[in-house]
Amino acid sequence: DTGVSQDPRHKITKRGQNVTFRCDPISEHNRLYWYRQTLGQGPEFLTYFQNEAQLEKSRLLSDRFSAERPKGSFSTLEIQRTEQGDSAMYLCASSLVSAVHSGNTIYFGEGSWLTVV
Amino acid sequence: ELKVEQNPLFLSMQEGKNYTIYCNYSTTSDRLYWYRQDPGKSLESLFVLLSNGAVKQEGRLMASLDTKARLSTLHITAAVHDLSATYFCAELLIMNYGGSQGNLIFGKGTKLSVKP
Repeated sequence: DTGVSQDPRHKITKRGQNVTFRCDPISEHNRLYWYRQTLGQGPEFLTYFQNEAQLEKSRLLSDRFSAERPKGSFSTLEIQRTEQGDSAMYLCASSLVSAVHSGNTIYFGEGSWLTVV
Repeated sequence: ELKVEQNPLFLSMQEGKNYTIYCNYSTTSDRLYWYRQDPGKSLESLFVLLSNGAVKQEGRLMASLDTKARLSTLHITAAVHDLSATYFCAELLIMNYGGSQGNLIFGKGTKLSVKP
């Protein structure tokens, strides 16, 4: 069990550019979540997948954001036309099944720091 | 509005002292999570509390859950410097609040600093 893996760990981009983050969940975890965390705040939910199906998107996720999990394994989060307000740490998390029914913990990756200049 | 409130947001303690962090949440959830975050790092799972009256202990940390009061506490006993970190509580949504079942709503975190 290697944990939740995220890439890249740090990204600096110019405003208006597109960026993509990748998340590899813990093997066999069918739930995958994306959260965003800004300095001094708790993580905020963005979206989640059950296998390859994207089941919910937060209001925070504008149409510049898109997430995929094409084969129910790794996931990508793309931000188009980045803005300075997108600067944050993007956290991926996974769990074996819905924690609602199992009481399993939800495991977080190391995060991908985005700085938009 | 879905809200998780932690108190205090900043806590400076001396080694050897005891203290409690409070976490109030807004829904009827009976699932409450505690995480630890070191600067620049991800979140480490500490406790998952699954029902009213649940109490879990790990080393100098003990967490409890009172679902009737919608309150969880994280008690620190005889603090040591290694406990310095930010601690987050998060409620697990068990009902469909706009389709959000199964997601975590986090508080703002309590930044703990333990001084010699």
